[in-house]
Amino acid sequence: SQELEQSPQSLIVQEGKNLTINCTSSKTLYGLYWYKQKYGEGLIFLMMLQKGGEEKSHEKITAKLDEKKQQSSLHITASQPSHAGIYLCGADRFISAGGTSYGKLTFGQGTILTVHP
Amino acid sequence: EAQVTQNPRYLITVTGKKLTVTCSQNMNHEYMSWYRQDPGLGLRQIYYSMNVEVTDKGDVPEGYKVSRKEKRNFPLILESPSPNQTSLYFCASSRKPDRDSPLHFGNGTRLTVT
Repeated sequence: SQELEQSPQSLIVQEGKNLTINCTSSKTLYGLYWYKQKYGEGLIFLMMLQKGGEEKSHEKITAKLDEKKQQSSLHITASQPSHAGIYLCGADRFISAGGTSYGKLTFGQGTILTVHP
Repeated sequence: EAQVTQNPRYLITVTGKKLTVTCSQNMNHEYMSWYRQDPGLGLRQIYYSMNVEVTDKGDVPEGYKVSRKEKRNFPLILESPSPNQTSLYFCASSRKPDRDSPLHFGNGTRLTVT
């Protein structure tokens, strides 16, 4: 099973609607990244969260890491067709107490977002 | 422009014919990595490199080789490609191998092995 589970796997919304994508880890998160990918293209870095309770925003996209650091949510307000794409969460793999291995960055399976005009 | 460049973007080849996918970054990044992306499986790491001449296996290294002779280049080599290596491949780099340096991705190479 995946270390990082994203839900939903796909999402279709009408333009202007709000939406939330979740990323749940089976292990404590020491660095959580959100990326966006347009079909067939590379990933674009959106945000990075490190501290429990941390919340960051970029334009109409807000991401939060919960206090227990095992789940992150990505919220889009008033969605637009330009928000369409695949959203992936990525995390450093926890290997020891207080330690981390950036070389073992793992990703969720992605959430496909479609926004209808 | 700061970027990670992969070539080719598309490649169709036959089983057993050696191929190389090139990756180059112009940001003087220490860390580079290769991923493959498959439906339902997400991104999986193949190999990574913490610096020149330092490489290590990721989650799915079987059937692949890499080298890091120069800081800017990190080619992915398939000595004898097989159909199960048909996938979308991404090269990525970051300034240094820690969580304060997010990954920058190339635009991908779509490989089909028949």
